[in-house]
Amino acid sequence: GQNIDQPTEMTATEGAIVQINCTYQTSGFNGLFWYQQHAGEAPTFLSYNVLDGLEEKGRFSSFLSRSKGYSYLLLKELQMKDSASYLCAVRDNTNAGKSTFGDGTTLTVKP
Amino acid sequence: DVKVTQSSRYLVKRTGEKVFLECVQDMDHENMFWYRQDPGLGLRLIYFSYDVKMKEKGDIPEGYSVSREKKERFSLILESASTNQTSMYLCASTLGENEQFFGPGTRLTVL
Repeated sequence: GQNIDQPTEMTATEGAIVQINCTYQTSGFNGLFWYQQHAGEAPTFLSYNVLDGLEEKGRFSSFLSRSKGYSYLLLKELQMKDSASYLCAVRDNTNAGKSTFGDGTTLTVKP
Repeated sequence: DVKVTQSSRYLVKRTGEKVFLECVQDMDHENMFWYRQDPGLGLRLIYFSYDVKMKEKGDIPEGYSVSREKKERFSLILESASTNQTSMYLCASTLGENEQFFGPGTRLTVL
């Protein structure tokens, strides 16, 4: 199975940079996803890493180290609309490639 | 754009009732998933399906069953609803090993 840990809550200031960490222990690894979920809404896809290194997508970047079982999501130039829950999800290598989700990190951006 | 729809946004049922939650996706995705999301417990996988008429148990299948008679439709059934099944239910679909697309969710209350 999978075990995923991420901080429960974080607070940051508008315009700043914030890093949300995710560590995992897995019996089979086939990629790591980050999703954003605003209150009362469904999760939406942000980024995907399957190889070690940094993937950059505009203000958002995601990093993966498979040997360390570690990923982070980096959000730059924070905006108020970035206040949301950020979910780390590890996909396994079985049929249908199901993912196990962390409990999510609730980020609050303050003016 | 991929669209995943769920039959109801809000549903109120009584203990012991049989409940059907329906999910439809319009992009010919092979894989479909049912999750429940509860505060502090994150997204937990109930059942998933990687093909028509195929289904596999997720992490918390007890008290639930599913049906996938057509590729685009995946139904979650609560045979006899109980108060501990009050939750937000999220359906998702994915093509191959790509990211999951989520429906808007059904908030089910069992009285």
